[in-house]
Amino acid sequence: SQKIEQNSEALNIQEGKTATLTCNYTNYSPAYLQWYRQDPGRGPVFLLLIRENEKEKRKERLKVTFDTTLKQSLFHITASQPADSATYLCALESTRGNNRLAFGKGNQVVVIP
Amino acid sequence: DVKVTQSSRYLVKRTGEKVFLECVQDMDHENMFWYRQDPGLGLRLIYFSYDVKMKEKGDIPEGYSVSREKKERFSLILESASTNQTSMYLCASSRGQGSQPQHFGDGTRLSIL
Repeated sequence: SQKIEQNSEALNIQEGKTATLTCNYTNYSPAYLQWYRQDPGRGPVFLLLIRENEKEKRKERLKVTFDTTLKQSLFHITASQPADSATYLCALESTRGNNRLAFGKGNQVVVIP
Repeated sequence: DVKVTQSSRYLVKRTGEKVFLECVQDMDHENMFWYRQDPGLGLRLIYFSYDVKMKEKGDIPEGYSVSREKKERFSLILESASTNQTSMYLCASSRGQGSQPQHFGDGTRLSIL
């Protein structure tokens, strides 16, 4: 069966350190993968997209990698700040070509001042 | 900036009622989506639409229907509300084909009593 796995345990991290989140998937062949941020009581907000032929993508303090052999994406927040505290969702193309996404359950990050 | 507006933030209805959830986007996006989000289950796709009057079932369409009479508006209908439909409902929109990010509203927290 198809699965998208993100760590269900919250990641507690000291301010200034790098937070690293993992997204593993099974039985998908996505052409791209996206990461979203969700704050309590709000809808998800798009952060980054990485395609299957890209190894790494950066945006400000965020970095995403995509390994189609391992079927894994890593999401890094460098120099983390308390304002980065949120739940981060990975999403991947569930069927090639129709813009339909399948979401992971999300991983909460808590940045401790 | 894209704005996706959901008609209510909070809604309380009774079992057996017909419930309408409305979503409007202002960026002329072709695709619109309805999800529900439950603790431990993540975001699950109910229905989506890639054009006016077009709709496709998502992963959990049972007990729901949708309507898209105008490009900017996508309605979710609970034909006969049941307590297991108590949830956070999120609407999203995106541009046509390909690897486009989805833009979400802030959700409607629906309680069925």
